[in-house]
Amino acid sequence: EVQLVESGGGLVQPGGSLRLSCAASGFTVSSNDMSWVRQAPGKGLEWVSVFDNGGNTFYADSVKGRFTISRDNSKNTLYLQMNRLRAEDTAVYYCARRVGYGYGMDVWGQGTTVTVSS
Amino acid sequence: DIQMTQSPSTLSASVGDRVTITCRASQTISSWLAWYQQKPGTAPNLLMYKASSLQSGVPSRFSGSGSGTEFTLTISSLQPDDFATYYCQHYNSYPWTFGQGTKVEIK
Repeated sequence: EVQLVESGGGLVQPGGSLRLSCAASGFTVSSNDMSWVRQAPGKGLEWVSVFDNGGNTFYADSVKGRFTISRDNSKNTLYLQMNRLRAEDTAVYYCARRVGYGYGMDVWGQGTTVTVSS
Repeated sequence: DIQMTQSPSTLSASVGDRVTITCRASQTISSWLAWYQQKPGTAPNLLMYKASSLQSGVPSRFSGSGSGTEFTLTISSLQPDDFATYYCQHYNSYPWTFGQGTKVEIK
């Protein structure tokens, strides 16, 4: 079964760090474009970052320089290292798969909640 | 960055109605547009990609059209399961951006 399972969310103080994980099953992370998308409470969707199948990474301006996306091919897992967290980073974080250029994000995880508060 | 603007923000409709949601891009994105449906407390679900291609498993009452800067998502006959929030998203270039969402409510 094709599946994504996120973990690592929690409560963190402003300025703190957190690392999210997204474990994939049923497909190979490195063969796909893998993104993080977040949703603040009661708000819309915001694309955060992508690790594409060519090994390139891209970020939203709102997280550039603070967040780092990475993957471990041996564990078939995607990560998001989040540093210098702010209250406005509070959101449900989803990981999502895109099978290739031209397609949409067709497989999503259930999400993990990050709360940045003192 | 490319901005995506959806209209309306909220739409009240009845079962059986034909429903159309519009998405406008601040600059041309060719046909690199996807539509998602999201229900409360759940992850988004891909409906359409490349503006008019129906994702596998999605009912044929959903259709998409447009290119350049103006796009539409149409539900030909609204079903009870379709009451949800819909988002467009461009992937013409990074950063990708979503529209603000259109909530389809029961009239």
